[in-house]
Amino acid sequence: SAVISQKPSRDICQRGTSLTIQCQVDSQVTMMFWYRQQPGQSLTLIATANQGSEATYESGFVIDKFPISRPNLTFSTLTVSNMSPEDSSIYLCSVSSGGYGYTFGSGTRLTVV
Amino acid sequence: GENVEQHPSTLSVQEGDSAVIKCTYSDSASNYFPWYKQELGKGPQLIIDIRSNVGEKKDQRIAVTLNKTAKHFSLHITETQPEDSAVYFCAASTGNAGNMLTFGGGTRLMVKP
Repeated sequence: SAVISQKPSRDICQRGTSLTIQCQVDSQVTMMFWYRQQPGQSLTLIATANQGSEATYESGFVIDKFPISRPNLTFSTLTVSNMSPEDSSIYLCSVSSGGYGYTFGSGTRLTVV
Repeated sequence: GENVEQHPSTLSVQEGDSAVIKCTYSDSASNYFPWYKQELGKGPQLIIDIRSNVGEKKDQRIAVTLNKTAKHFSLHITETQPEDSAVYFCAASTGNAGNMLTFGGGTRLMVKP
């Protein structure tokens, strides 16, 4: 299965600022997904990132708040914009190689103060 | 869309006992059901999965059963060990390339030595 490197692993940010999270995969993958995991909660899909096209956002998530880039088949970024304390969560990227398997990165633990 | 419910939310067992976690899903089109283990500070790791064409799958101390008619599936861990302590998530997907996983709410398993 794919190996994912996600950066940063954690950060503490001031409200009103933005943070960009990077996800690097060791092989080319078709689909990349970004999830949010609020404290003590399950995983909620933010968006699906496809190379060469705009990301597809789930209900409740908008591009202005969570812009996503997917410049090639091994890399994606998620930006959390104009942050507020409610954005404090773990953000996870996940990849699918086109089959059934989904692999997750180790996550970015974001605290907004 | 798909809705996955998971029970119990917390489970405490004595080392050596068995643990069972149950999930139900709503979308009859779902045909892929993975289970993830998430340890503190880490991303979810796939521990076992099952596709709809089988009713049971086993891997050493871990087994998963699926009842498509009733739309529920379960994780069974036998001879539990303290290192099994973690949060476990079930998920469901149609399995088509790029289709997202819908997660259950998670179960915090505590194995007491």
